[in-house]
Amino acid sequence: EDQVTQSPEALRLQEGESSSLNCSYTVSGLRGLFWYRQDPGKGPEFLFTLYSAGEEKEKERLKATLTKKESFLHITAPKPEDSATYLCAVPGVNNQGGKLIFGQGTELSVKP
Amino acid sequence: SAVISQKPSRDICQRGTSLTIQCQVDSQVTMMFWYRQQPGQSLTLIATANQGSEATYESGFVIDKFPISRPNLTFSTLTVSNMSPEDSSIYLCSVRPHTTYNEQFFGPGTRLTVL
Repeated sequence: EDQVTQSPEALRLQEGESSSLNCSYTVSGLRGLFWYRQDPGKGPEFLFTLYSAGEEKEKERLKATLTKKESFLHITAPKPEDSATYLCAVPGVNNQGGKLIFGQGTELSVKP
Repeated sequence: SAVISQKPSRDICQRGTSLTIQCQVDSQVTMMFWYRQQPGQSLTLIATANQGSEATYESGFVIDKFPISRPNLTFSTLTVSNMSPEDSSIYLCSVRPHTTYNEQFFGPGTRLTVL
């Protein structure tokens, strides 16, 4: 069964304190791994797609990496505005990849 | 990426009533989806909205409870029928603009509270 597990559930950082979020996945044939940012009461905002092991993507203070079993979202020198829930997702086997299987998310809080 | 809007952005409804949520996209897309996010939970796919045919529902979701329309390639509606407090959630539509790539982009969501 396709499964996505994120850790930690919550992460509290001081401004400027770098860290990483983890996304472990079990899926039959990876057809992409997606990272989203979700602010309270809003829809997920697309951040990155990773398709193959070894691939890396960067956007401002965020860098996403992918291995054959997991993905990391590295946050370098975070700022309070980076506070949000970060979700990762993979396409399920069925439904032509239309069904995204989401992890439970990591709630990031960055204090000034 | 596509620009997606949803109406209403939020609503408070009484038990036993129904609410229809609209999703509008600024460009034609082949695949549109409806997700539910219960309080404190992650997203769960309700159904795929198929243009010109009946929606495809995921296990645990039925057409009588969540009827969906998709009259064209830019618009879809989701109705939450005979609501109960357990239906209180954020309802999100998403689109997959590219046939080759699997990225999905989400609307702003509709926050529903059922009293």
